[in-house]
Amino acid sequence: DSGVTQTPKHLITATGQRVTLRCSPRSGDLSVYWYQQSLDQGLQFLIQYYNGEERAKGNILERFSAQQFPDLHSELNLSSLELGDSALYFCASSVGTNQPQHFGDGTRLSIL
Amino acid sequence: GDSVTQMEGPVTLSEEAFLTINCTYTATGYPSLFWYVQYPGEGLQLLLKATKADDKGSNKGFEATYRKETTSFHLEKGSVQVSDSAVYFCALSDSAGSYQLTFGKGTKLSVIP
Repeated sequence: DSGVTQTPKHLITATGQRVTLRCSPRSGDLSVYWYQQSLDQGLQFLIQYYNGEERAKGNILERFSAQQFPDLHSELNLSSLELGDSALYFCASSVGTNQPQHFGDGTRLSIL
Repeated sequence: GDSVTQMEGPVTLSEEAFLTINCTYTATGYPSLFWYVQYPGEGLQLLLKATKADDKGSNKGFEATYRKETTSFHLEKGSVQVSDSAVYFCALSDSAGSYQLTFGKGTKLSVIP
């Protein structure tokens, strides 16, 4: 158990819809990262927050957004969903920005 | 930009065989290097890491040495077990920014009794 909690584990929805994925980092971790794992693109970094502030952006679509709340949990919002958004979305957390990242079990998103 | 290239799988080995999974990287600066393992239906677990040249990371019988001259971080284990069957990812984190991870495509290892 990494201590990083992601909910829900599975999400099935339709094209055009909007979903919210939630991540609770390990106790004491200030940094949260979001990654997307798909068959064609592999594991790709989406976005990072540190203590409530956006720190870095990767290959994140404009339809996607995220935030980190004062209690340090984070949410990833995906809107206007397309079939290609079907993937496993991982959250990772670390104490600081140069510490090993610990991953949650992921949220599997299926778009029908 | 940064990139990681690892040997394509799948790799199938008999129990107690020697394992090598090759990993090379391209990066500016001095990245940290990692191996993560993903068991079926689970998230990624940190297996080992190395933060500077010539460092050797080790854990659970697995080893990898940070080779700056060859930009490599090959994963090795002397005697694999059935329980080692998983997908292995090589990754680097940049040293001058967010420390986001850049992953290789993963190598699926199957160990048969």
